Amino acid sequence: TQLLEQSPQFLSIQEGENLTVYCNSSSVFSSLQWYRQEPGEGPVLLVTVVTGGEVKKLKRLTFQFGDARKDSSLHITAAQPGDTGLYLCAGPRGGSEKLVFGKGTKLTVNP
Amino acid sequence: NAGVMQNPRHLVRRRGQEARLRCSPMKGHSHVYWYRQLPEEGLKFMVYLQKENIIDESGMPKERFSAEFPKEGPSILRIQQVVRGDSAAYFCASSPKVGYNSPLHFGNGTRLTVT
Repeated sequence: TQLLEQSPQFLSIQEGENLTVYCNSSSVFSSLQWYRQEPGEGPVLLVTVVTGGEVKKLKRLTFQFGDARKDSSLHITAAQPGDTGLYLCAGPRGGSEKLVFGKGTKLTVNP
Repeated sequence: NAGVMQNPRHLVRRRGQEARLRCSPMKGHSHVYWYRQLPEEGLKFMVYLQKENIIDESGMPKERFSAEFPKEGPSILRIQQVVRGDSAAYFCASSPKVGYNSPLHFGNGTRLTVT
């Protein structure tokens, strides 16, 4: 079973559209991180959310941490081809130092 | 300001050979993590090391796999007698401190192909 479930698994949209991807769990996390990974490269951290209900903005990207700290969402406004990539959420597991990752949402933004 | 350096980027081994993957963490980072990524399966934790110590190897197969992070030099992930199922992208990440919110800085991975 996957501790962090991400949806949708694949998403293909046109430039200029808005989208939301989700990261859900039945477990409570002390924090969640979002990474973006491009083909042939390692994941790059976008944001860390820590407080339930927290909203963080990074230019056209808006991240929200659920009130119960079991889920998070990433909303992209006016998507651009440069947003194409694999979006991964990750959280610390059970008090340990290791991060567990979801399987990711593979986003393609077509020009 | 070099990031996490992994080499080689691509490695091809025949079944039964050994694979050695190297990772130099970012300057000042003493915590190293190894992850394996298969298509459609996301990143799977393998092992967490600090200098000269293995802290958590719960994600690493008990046989054929080993990892080290010596006092001097890079961290090494070693896979002995490779099999086709070992083919994957192996990523190393480092962080400057321990803690739930410490971000991981990833290298660009080593893509291992076992023929």
